Amino acid sequence: AQKITQTQPGMFVQEKEAVTLDCTYDTSDPSYGLFWYKQPSSGEMIFLIYQGSYDQQNATEGRYSLNFQKARKSANLVISASQLGDSAMYFCAMRPKAGSYQLTFGKGTKLSVIP
Amino acid sequence: NAGVTQTPKFQVLKTGQSMTLQCAQDMNHNSMYWYRQDPGMGLRLIYYSASEGTTDKGEVPNGYNVSRLNKREFSLRLESAAPSQTSVYFCASSEALLGGYEQYFGPGTRLTVT
Repeated sequence: AQKITQTQPGMFVQEKEAVTLDCTYDTSDPSYGLFWYKQPSSGEMIFLIYQGSYDQQNATEGRYSLNFQKARKSANLVISASQLGDSAMYFCAMRPKAGSYQLTFGKGTKLSVIP
Repeated sequence: NAGVTQTPKFQVLKTGQSMTLQCAQDMNHNSMYWYRQDPGMGLRLIYYSASEGTTDKGEVPNGYNVSRLNKREFSLRLESAAPSQTSVYFCASSEALLGGYEQYFGPGTRLTVT
């Protein structure tokens, strides 16, 4: 069964420090995609970063990078130089196979940035 | 360019009442989706429409119906609301199925069924 696991319900990080949010996934298909979304307290879902299973390099978008370890089936989000505005829920999601329209979401990690 | 819009933002229903949640996107995307988000949970897919004229069930379709009215609009209907359908509902759209075509989300509708 396709599954996304986020084991950290909550995380704290000091402003300007880097933080890693964990995500492990399970799929039997060789072609899949991994996404991270941010949900601030206002409620909207904001796309952050995408990694395809065949991508050779780890994805990066500004201060966000995805530490993709295929053999371990992990896709951790790294946020560098944390800002107060990074305080939010973060969701890892997976498109489990080629041809699938469905995104399977993890339960999320609540990140709090401390001044 | 509004992206994905949803109406209403908030709604309170009594058990057994019906209602339709509206969603529209102005990005010319082919695919549209309806999710629900319950406390402490990630989003779960209710229904999706891969392209205009098609709809398919997602993970939790029971108690819901959908209509892809045209390329822009995708509505979600609750025929007889139940307290278990109290949730936040998100509509999303994406350009295509393949590759890193991320889904863009609307602001959500907070529905309470009493």
